[in-house]
Amino acid sequence: DVKVTQSSRYLVKRTGEKVFLECVQDMDHENMFWYRQDPGLGLRLIYFSYDVKMKEKGDIPEGYSVSREKKERFSLILESASTNQTSMYLCASTSPPSGNTIYFGEGSWLTVV
Amino acid sequence: AQKITQTQPGMFVQEKEAVTLDCTYDTSDQSYGLFWYKQPSSGEMIFLIYQGSYDEQNATEGRYSLNFQKARKSANLVISASQLGDSAMYFCAMRGMDFGNEKLTFGTGTRLTIIP
Repeated sequence: DVKVTQSSRYLVKRTGEKVFLECVQDMDHENMFWYRQDPGLGLRLIYFSYDVKMKEKGDIPEGYSVSREKKERFSLILESASTNQTSMYLCASTSPPSGNTIYFGEGSWLTVV
Repeated sequence: AQKITQTQPGMFVQEKEAVTLDCTYDTSDQSYGLFWYKQPSSGEMIFLIYQGSYDEQNATEGRYSLNFQKARKSANLVISASQLGDSAMYFCAMRGMDFGNEKLTFGTGTRLTIIP
């Protein structure tokens, strides 16, 4: 069974902490995405990657960075967490060129206090 | 740049009625795909339907159909004979199909509530 796994379902972090959110897929997909979801704002793209070590900024990259050292793993990093980064973070993966199936993780609920 | 617009933040529909959820998009890509996802209160994203930009026929999946009007850049979701279990958030999304331009963009969503 195909799977996208997000390492943590619920996290509580303090302001200023460095936070790592991990996403692993077992389908050999080239493309991976990180979104945050907030009420009324939908899913907003933070970063995406279409290959190992390749990354592209999404619509809201400020305050975030990413790492993709291996094809199966895409990490989202909050260098210095702030309260406005409290949100639900969703990882997704898919395979080009014409794949019409996108696989999502279960989401990571991050609270920054 | 890609943009998805869903203009209905919330909708209330009587059970068994048909419902149309609106979605318009903007892109300069020639080749792209359009998706609809359902997100119940549990938070999981459930794939509903897909339409490729070069598909001539409107996509259908059971009670779901996608009314694709390419010239108007609209991709509305039609749910026939709504059920109580259809109550959820619905997201329209678009994906570029060219290598290196496979950005996947979502709209702000529509919260659909089915009334018994």
